[in-house]
Amino acid sequence: DAGVTQSPTHLIKTRGQQVTLRCSPKSGHDTVSWYQQALGQGPQFIFQYYEEEERQRGNFPDRFSGHQFPNYSSELNVNALLLGDSALYLCASSLDPRDNTEAFFGQGTRLTVV
Amino acid sequence: AQKVTQAQTEISVVEKEDVTLDCVYETRDTTYYLFWYKQPPSGELVFLIRRNSFDEQNEISGRYSWNFQKSTSSFNFTITASQVVDSAVYFCALSESYGGATNKLIFGTGTLLAVQP
Repeated sequence: DAGVTQSPTHLIKTRGQQVTLRCSPKSGHDTVSWYQQALGQGPQFIFQYYEEEERQRGNFPDRFSGHQFPNYSSELNVNALLLGDSALYLCASSLDPRDNTEAFFGQGTRLTVV
Repeated sequence: AQKVTQAQTEISVVEKEDVTLDCVYETRDTTYYLFWYKQPPSGELVFLIRRNSFDEQNEISGRYSWNFQKSTSSFNFTITASQVVDSAVYFCALSESYGGATNKLIFGTGTLLAVQP
């Protein structure tokens, strides 16, 4: 049973560029959440997708956008990259969010903006 | 406001010592969930435990145990007879019932545990 898979594992981008990160949830999971983890900090919630809709959003600018596909996989897009966007981006999947079940995380994508 | 505080930034112990990681949370909700995750150097967050606000029973799983006290808003984690493989960053997290909408996790800043051989 494959867990949560994210791609790519590492990425280097230049300021002003755009980036797309991908996530495949754990088998049977229909909810995907994205988190940003800066060095030495705890993960910060970006947004959550359920039934292909953005259900809740954290305190992140509109440069951060996402999408969920019918197979429950998800993408995180970041436009006009800033140096401060350098971080580990974690995807988490879970069952119906109304049940507050545990989230399973992928290994993350390490984004470096230069 | 919802908040999770892990006051211990780093802890260093020698193998076989017991160690307790502290977690204090703030929430106005009466229904909430608490979690502990382990983050090894690989980066993946590994789920350890989930506890809802109505269940104050302590839990033991092998060398791991958790002490949940609503009176002090704490959810502490103890590792008994620590091993080098326990070295990692440990995160405490809080999830509230936003009218059943989402299960957003609010994380603390983490505690880096280093177990020396």
